[in-house]
Amino acid sequence: DQQVKQNSPSLSVQEGRISILNCDYTNSMFDYFLWYKKYPAEGPTFLISISSIKDKNEDGRFTVFLNKSAKHLSLHIVPSQPGDSAVYFCAASSLNYGGSQGNLIFGKGTKLSVKP
Amino acid sequence: DGGITQSPKYLFRKEGQNVTLSCEQNLNHDAMYWYRQDPGQGLRLIYYSQIVNDFQKGDIAEGYSVSREKKESFPLTVTSAQKNPTAFYLCASSIVGKRAFFGQGTRLTVV
Repeated sequence: DQQVKQNSPSLSVQEGRISILNCDYTNSMFDYFLWYKKYPAEGPTFLISISSIKDKNEDGRFTVFLNKSAKHLSLHIVPSQPGDSAVYFCAASSLNYGGSQGNLIFGKGTKLSVKP
Repeated sequence: DGGITQSPKYLFRKEGQNVTLSCEQNLNHDAMYWYRQDPGQGLRLIYYSQIVNDFQKGDIAEGYSVSREKKESFPLTVTSAQKNPTAFYLCASSIVGKRAFFGQGTRLTVV
């Protein structure tokens, strides 16, 4: 059973517009959430994170929103650029729990295409 | 990300052979991980280690083995028991529970 779900396999947006990538989770013990960006044949690179004590974290063009009651987070990219075209993975873990709970659990990814 | 080195980048294996993928990190991280990526499957955890000389199975450990004799190194062996070994393998390291830093990956192909 997937604990982290990204229900949209792909998303296409126009350059300059907003990209919104969504992620849902089922494990209520998750308290730390991350977004990674991945190009083909490369390792993922960290983009932005948020802990459960916040509902928003912003870094330049990237903002992550967390809705704990809905177990939902989203990544907003404004404005979108062609170089943002990549696969975006949502990940979650439990910082306050030891053992396997500290491992990152990944969603299946959303492929973003930003068209010029 | 800098500090995590996977080798080789491409690897070809004949059916029935074992093969070992290398992963080295110089970030002084206690935790290291191996993930497998298949098309449309995201990243699935194979094995993880949170301390030297200790490691745990992830979600898809069957057909794989690991060792953690040094903090810096976490090699993954893909054994002949792994039914579908062709995939993209990613190694990562982290402070336990914190964000992971990934290597550039190894593409393994069975020929």
